[in-house]
Amino acid sequence: EIVLTQSPGTLSLSPGDRATLSCRASETVNRAYLAWYQQRPGQAPSLLIYAASTRATDIPERFSGGGSGTDFTLTIANLQPEDFAVYFCQQYGVSPITFGPGTKLEIK
Amino acid sequence: QVLLQESGPGLVRPSETLSLTCSVSGFSIGSQYYWGWIRQSPGKGLEWIGNVYLGGSSYYNPSLNSRVTISMDKSKNQFFLKMNSVTAADTAVYFCAKTFWTGYYTGWFGPWGQGILVTVSA
Repeated sequence: EIVLTQSPGTLSLSPGDRATLSCRASETVNRAYLAWYQQRPGQAPSLLIYAASTRATDIPERFSGGGSGTDFTLTIANLQPEDFAVYFCQQYGVSPITFGPGTKLEIK
Repeated sequence: QVLLQESGPGLVRPSETLSLTCSVSGFSIGSQYYWGWIRQSPGKGLEWIGNVYLGGSSYYNPSLNSRVTISMDKSKNQFFLKMNSVTAADTAVYFCAKTFWTGYYTGWFGPWGQGILVTVSA
């Protein structure tokens, strides 16, 4: 199965900053079939991005995804207070579907 | 707006069967899409369990395949998870989710239910 590694484990930034989160796969993710989710404390994950760069419905433009092959990024511009949460990547290029361990974005 | 809600026992004894229900509102599960289960634990993080489609087709994570069955009842707009022979390692928050399925036996998830904590303990 494809193992996803996310870095950094924790990212400390201030509102208004730009966040760059990394997701690296142990092998090529076919067709860039990679999704990103946000999870706030006590809540379920919520879909942000699929197909590496396509924003889900109602997701603000400050969230953008990119990458291909084994390296993918999630960028959040102009951080808002509600953006401080945990972010997970997920690959669906090959079964079994797997998730990364998450990056915690915290307020500095 | 599609809403999903998990229900079931919060405590299951070791070696017994975990049974959960996902009730869907705002969308007919018999019309489209796959429907899936994912779990989250401190030790293993997020783990895909499996998915089911309206025709009864189901796909499972090979690591759990022999213990898991996912089914659906279109008339009740519900789908179900059964996991047998549970151990403490199956203690987790279990989520159900609508799944956008690809042609490659995989997909991405949204929206998710709020999750239900299931503890395996005597």
